[in-house]
Amino acid sequence: EAGVAQSPRYKIIEKRQSVAFWCNPISGHATLYWYQQILGQGPKLLIQFQNNGVVDDSQLPKDRFSAERLKGVDSTLKIQPAKLEDSAVYLCASSPRDRGEETQYFGPGTRLLVL
Amino acid sequence: GQNIDQPTEMTATEGAIVQINCTYQTSGFNGLFWYQQHAGEAPTFLSYNVLDGLEEKGRFSSFLSRSKGYSYLLLKELQMKDSASYLCAVWPYGQNFVFGPGTRLSVLP
Repeated sequence: EAGVAQSPRYKIIEKRQSVAFWCNPISGHATLYWYQQILGQGPKLLIQFQNNGVVDDSQLPKDRFSAERLKGVDSTLKIQPAKLEDSAVYLCASSPRDRGEETQYFGPGTRLLVL
Repeated sequence: GQNIDQPTEMTATEGAIVQINCTYQTSGFNGLFWYQQHAGEAPTFLSYNVLDGLEEKGRFSSFLSRSKGYSYLLLKELQMKDSASYLCAVWPYGQNFVFGPGTRLSVLP
């Protein structure tokens, strides 16, 4: 079974620029999550999708961050404009929550550096 | 809200046993997860405790005490490849996972 795919793996941008990350979850997983992990900290949930609907975006900084999962499969996370404090690893995870299993499976992450 | 505490760093010797503690404050939760994260890589699932007690899985065991707000991950027969961060995550009722800050374990020869 293929794992969660993410791209790009690394991105360097200047502050005030825009950036987008892509995630393709494990096939058949209805639930998709985006996390932000700052160096030395645990992952912090940004947004959760169930199929193509948003379930929880309470911690998403909506003035600059947006995410979509239009067809209920892959997803994109965008930052516009980026700030220095957005430098972090952005992790995508998926789970088959609709089948009663809650374990989340993580992708390799996108490491973002904002200069 | 939830408050999850873990030691920041631990060091142990190859072949030894190490216990990584996790304490939390939450009004109620479905279960507690442990994840392993090697430097520069994604977290990988280790264990999920729902009931009080010890869950054993090879060299790794995880313990939960709901009444004490306490969990630990026990690693036996440590190997160099066990050097990683270990993340405790609580799944509160009606909410999503909340991850602790992680414990960075260094295994020395």
